[in-house]
Amino acid sequence: GQQLNQSPQSMFIQEGEDVSMNCTSSSIFNTWLWYKQDPGEGPVLLIALYKAGELTSNGRLTAQFGITRKDSFLNISASIPSDVGIYFCAGPGAGTYKYIFGTGTRLKVLA
Amino acid sequence: DSGVTQTPKHLITATGQRVTLRCSPRSGDLSVYWYQQSLDQGLQFLIQYYNGEERAKGNILERFSAQQFPDLHSELNLSSLELGDSALYFCASSEGGSSYNEQFFGPGTRLTVL
Repeated sequence: GQQLNQSPQSMFIQEGEDVSMNCTSSSIFNTWLWYKQDPGEGPVLLIALYKAGELTSNGRLTAQFGITRKDSFLNISASIPSDVGIYFCAGPGAGTYKYIFGTGTRLKVLA
Repeated sequence: DSGVTQTPKHLITATGQRVTLRCSPRSGDLSVYWYQQSLDQGLQFLIQYYNGEERAKGNILERFSAQQFPDLHSELNLSSLELGDSALYFCASSEGGSSYNEQFFGPGTRLTVL
């Protein structure tokens, strides 16, 4: 079945650094969403992308919908301690109503 | 606050028991989704309801069932519980039933089966 692979799996960065993570699929997605989950909480929608090549920002976050429709990336600029959490990409499986979630990238920010 | 509410927040029960998790979607949302998240794992889609009807089914066990009521709240019933059912259960809602609709998640119910 369809899978979304995220890399890196986890990362430690210094406060103030920029962060980049990506999400890839073996099949085409028509929508990409990026969520952040804090420990013990529900995922919170950060950015939604609907068109190939689309670049969207939300504060210090920028996400892009890959031209091939098989990937997306999320950048966080000037990271701060509250950026700690797990970042998931997600999208609807082809021809279904089901959402598929990526494997997640765990981000830890060192002050 | 996403506007999606879930109760209870925590639930501790024994193997073999049956529990019911409740979800109220955001005002105006017609779709409700249920997900299971085991420790340090991603979210596994269980089932989706749209305006009272089942719309999509994921990896939901036969011991689990769900329904969406006329007021659009939803319940997830888990029966004959096993240790491996311990997990966070999230409900999400969206305005429409399409997979293109953005989903908003509730705070989750943490189920512990002893």
